[in-house]
Amino acid sequence: GAGVSQTPSNKVTEKGKYVELRCDPISGHTALYWYRQSLGQGPEFLIYFQGTGAADDSGLPNDRFFAVRPEGSVSTLKIQRTERGDSAVYLCASSLGTLEREQYFGPGTRLTVT
Amino acid sequence: GENVEQHPSTLSVQEGDSAVIKCTYSDSASNYFPWYKQELGKGPQLIIDIRSNVGEKKDQRIAVTLNKTAKHFSLHITETQPEDSAVYFCAAYDTGGFKTIFGAGTRLFVKA
Repeated sequence: GAGVSQTPSNKVTEKGKYVELRCDPISGHTALYWYRQSLGQGPEFLIYFQGTGAADDSGLPNDRFFAVRPEGSVSTLKIQRTERGDSAVYLCASSLGTLEREQYFGPGTRLTVT
Repeated sequence: GENVEQHPSTLSVQEGDSAVIKCTYSDSASNYFPWYKQELGKGPQLIIDIRSNVGEKKDQRIAVTLNKTAKHFSLHITETQPEDSAVYFCAAYDTGGFKTIFGAGTRLFVKA
């Protein structure tokens, strides 16, 4: 079946602009995660959704970052007033539910802030 | 919160040899430890995982061992092949929330 998909695959934006990154999880997966991966590092947790609600957003670095999942499926990560330090690969993962720990990752969106 | 350390950062082996990657974690309550393989330009792919109620798990050429007392776990790849070349990440599930905490990764090179 289809895996996790993310769009766009690449995004170049200017410092100060607003960006939205989209994640389509595996159909039927109720749990959705966002991570950020800097070059040469492991993924860093940002936020976790169970259904429509953000169950854990403790990884969001500051209030410029926000994520939604209004219908419990597709999720959008929103970054306001982008900074050069936001440049990274943003990964989305989904799992069947909270108890099913196996996470399936999408290919990521590479964000470059110039 | 959980902290995961991974060693080595780079590992080069000859085709057919074994590769071992080691990780330590800090939260003694962590109970789920996945391993991911990441190829260039792709997202991490789950290759094997282990839960705290077992000490070892094997899947073909890949095995993972867990020592809860010492709080470390290891990935073993036998009969390595060039297609095993990738970055491998260990991770631990933070029982304080819903986070998975990743190690910094090991870049594995398998020389033909």
